Parts: sequence; structure tokens; C-alpha cells
Amino acid sequence: GNSVTQMEGPVTLSEEAFLTINCTYTATGYPSLFWYVQYPGEGLQLLLKATKADDKGSNKGFEATYRKETTSFHLEKGSVQVSDSAVYFCALIGTQGGSEKLVFGKGTKLTVNP
Amino acid sequence: EPEVTQTPSHQVTQMGQEVILRCVPISNHLYFYWYRQILGQKVEFLVSFYNNEISEKSEIFDDQFSVERPDGSNFTLKIRSTKLEDSAMYFCASSEQGGHSPLHFGNGTRLTVT
Repeated sequence: GNSVTQMEGPVTLSEEAFLTINCTYTATGYPSLFWYVQYPGEGLQLLLKATKADDKGSNKGFEATYRKETTSFHLEKGSVQVSDSAVYFCALIGTQGGSEKLVFGKGTKLTVNP
Repeated sequence: EPEVTQTPSHQVTQMGQEVILRCVPISNHLYFYWYRQILGQKVEFLVSFYNNEISEKSEIFDDQFSVERPDGSNFTLKIRSTKLEDSAMYFCASSEQGGHSPLHFGNGTRLTVT
């Protein structure tokens, strides 16, 4: 079945540091890929998405590129802020067997210190 | 921006009791979902709902679970006889078109079964 693997957390960075959170996936066909973010005490919010190979999703300074050859969708940000502290989830919607459910990775907790 | 709302934010119940978790999806959305997240674990798909019927459900969604759209705005998840292992954060989500369109999540209901 479809699955998502993302790097184990927690990740702790200083403000203005570079962020990478790795995400790889297993899926048949042509899944759509997403990053969701969960701020403390809140629900899951869509951060960015990409629907086909080589697409780059971007939002709030975050970027991720859909790499079909490496089955990856790594999240990056050039300069993190304290307000970016949250849990980040990589996810996909596949096309296997007609199932269109959103499948999540385990989440990576990011803490940014001033 | 329209949002998905869930009530209550926290529900405590005794084992064996019935609980109903309530959600108001975004008004023009047609596809509705329930997910859950046991503390420290992945966000897991429970069920999807479209056109007044279940379109997909996971192995977790057994006979103890049911969903309903009793009117034009609410979408509920009922657990008939709660077990300790049902303790989790339950997220409702909706999407406009289904397929690969993004899901919009509520802030969740934390269910604690004692």
C-alpha cells in the first residue's frame, strides 16, 4: 500500500537557520504530495502541495519539489523563525485501486529557538 | 477564510459509553472525512463520505463506528461502546472536489476514555 516516511524528530534549530525535513514515499501511479503543519493547540493546515513530477510547492518561505526519480518531497526553508515551531506532516493521496485517502507520515516536530 | 469546526474540543467518557463527535465542514465542500491520531503516533484515516454514503473506510472503522450527515451542515462520528484504545485526537476534514484536492481539517476533538 501507499506509505510515507519522514525523518524522525524532534528537530531543534536556532532562528535564521536552514531547515530540511526529509520525506520519501511509496506509491503506485502518480500520487499528489502535500505538507501539512500543526501549530500547538491547532488542527492540521495545508502548507503546500505538488501534483506532478518536478512541480515545486511553496508557501510562507517553505518549498518542496516533487522528485519522482527519488520518490521524495523534502521540505526546505532558508531561514526559520520562532513562529515556525510546529509539527510538520508529509502526506500523499495516491491512485492505487481507486483509494484516494490521504496517507500521512509520522510527523516531525520542529522547535526554533530565538 | 472558511474553516472546519469541531465540537467539543475535549470529551471525557467512561469505557462502554457512546460518544458523538461533531463537525461542521466548509459549506460548499462535498467530501467529508474522519481521521484520528493516537498520542505520539501517525494520523490515521478512518472514513470518507460523499453523497450521503461511505465511500471508503479503514480497518479501524469497525461496527462500533458510524458516521452521519443528519442535516445540511453537520457531519458526525459516533462510537457506540468506547474502549480505552479509542482515546485519541479525532480530526474532521472536508474537501471541495475529492480526488486529489486538498483536505481542510478542523482543530480536532481530544477523546479520553477512562
